[in-house]
Amino acid sequence: QVQLGQSGAEVKKPGASVKVSCKASGYTFSSYGISWVRQARGQGLEWMGWINPYNGNTRFPQKFQGRVTLTTDTSTSTVYMELTSLRSDDTGVYYCARENDFADYWGQGTLVTVSS
Amino acid sequence: EIVLTQSPATLSLSPGERATLSCRASQNVGSYLAWYQHKPGQAPRLLIYDASSRATGIPARFSGSGSGTDFTLTISSLEPEDFAVYYCQQRSNWPPVGTFGQGTKVEIK
Repeated sequence: QVQLGQSGAEVKKPGASVKVSCKASGYTFSSYGISWVRQARGQGLEWMGWINPYNGNTRFPQKFQGRVTLTTDTSTSTVYMELTSLRSDDTGVYYCARENDFADYWGQGTLVTVSS
Repeated sequence: EIVLTQSPATLSLSPGERATLSCRASQNVGSYLAWYQHKPGQAPRLLIYDASSRATGIPARFSGSGSGTDFTLTISSLEPEDFAVYYCQQRSNWPPVGTFGQGTKVEIK
């Protein structure tokens, strides 16, 4: 069965970076893109970007361009999301999701807390 | 950039009632629209894709309609487990650009 397993909760200081992993299983990793979506505290869902594990192509909304980096490790079927220059309003839950035109399978979410 | 506007922000209904949620796009997105259900402490769940196709395992009480700029999610008869926040998301571009609406909370009246 398709599963996306994310890394554990993180606590970071303002200005730092965080790197969250998403390990895929149960399907051919290179055949589907992976998106990252977050829910900042008290806010709705927000799309952060997408990566094609086959060729490494990425796409980001303007808001996150330059602050989010997506990478893959095909040997372990893992996608990484790094968010830099963290601020308090980046606190929230971060999800990875498999893209099959739409996000059909989701990770369990990773809580990122930004606090001094 | 395409903006999705959902209405109403909150819908207060009783179990058994019909829920009608709206999503309006600022530009034509064809039929490239999805609906997700999100409950506290859980990952979002895909309900509807391509505006009107139910995802695997989604009950028939959930239906989607619309094309172009105006879309509707209908829950024909609310079950207790349906009280949640619902988001629409557009996919008019390729590779994916996944803008979400701001969400509609369906709460128990």
